[in-house]
Amino acid sequence: DGGITQSPKYLFRKEGQNVTLSCEQNLNHDAMYWYRQDPGQGLRLIYYSQIVNDFQKGDIAEGYSVSREKKESFPLTVTSAQKNPTAFYLCASSINRLDAYNEQFFGPGTRLTVL
Amino acid sequence: GQQLNQSPQSMFIQEGEDVSMNCTSSSIFNTWLWYKQDPGEGPVLLIALYKAGELTSNGRLTAQFGITRKDSFLNISASIPSDVGIYFCAGFYNNNDMRFGAGTRLTVKP
Repeated sequence: DGGITQSPKYLFRKEGQNVTLSCEQNLNHDAMYWYRQDPGQGLRLIYYSQIVNDFQKGDIAEGYSVSREKKESFPLTVTSAQKNPTAFYLCASSINRLDAYNEQFFGPGTRLTVL
Repeated sequence: GQQLNQSPQSMFIQEGEDVSMNCTSSSIFNTWLWYKQDPGEGPVLLIALYKAGELTSNGRLTAQFGITRKDSFLNISASIPSDVGIYFCAGFYNNNDMRFGAGTRLTVKP
């Protein structure tokens, strides 16, 4: 079954601790993305990666870090520098075609609560 | 810039009613997408539109790509309780830059 998995579904951390959210895809997609969603809000782009070993900051990258060592994996670390980390985090992936539009497909999300 | 304005922000309707929501921008977008997000889940792609004027259906859902390329509409006919969720529009203004609207939260009363 092809898809995007995010784990865990719910995550609780104490303030001041770094935490890493997992995102794995077996769709053979080149590009992967991390979004943050706050209650009643739309999606805001944190980081994206169009190819292995390369990634770019999105609109709200401060306090977050990512790595892309493997095509199928794009973990997101929420650092203690992120002022308001409690949110719903969504990972997405897409093909990275140069000659077409690359629709994004989403994982089920991780709800992070910082106490 | 490449902002998407989605309206309405929320809708409360009776089961069986038709629903209409839209997304507009001051910039031209080359592709429009509509997603649905169930509570606590990730968005799922419903419909993708690739050409100005295109009208596409997916069951009870119909979406249109505006002629000006600056807007798109989503209609849901004969709503049912499982239509509840948040509907997002998204658009590409080039191959890799996708923007999202803020979403329309739909509540359907049985």
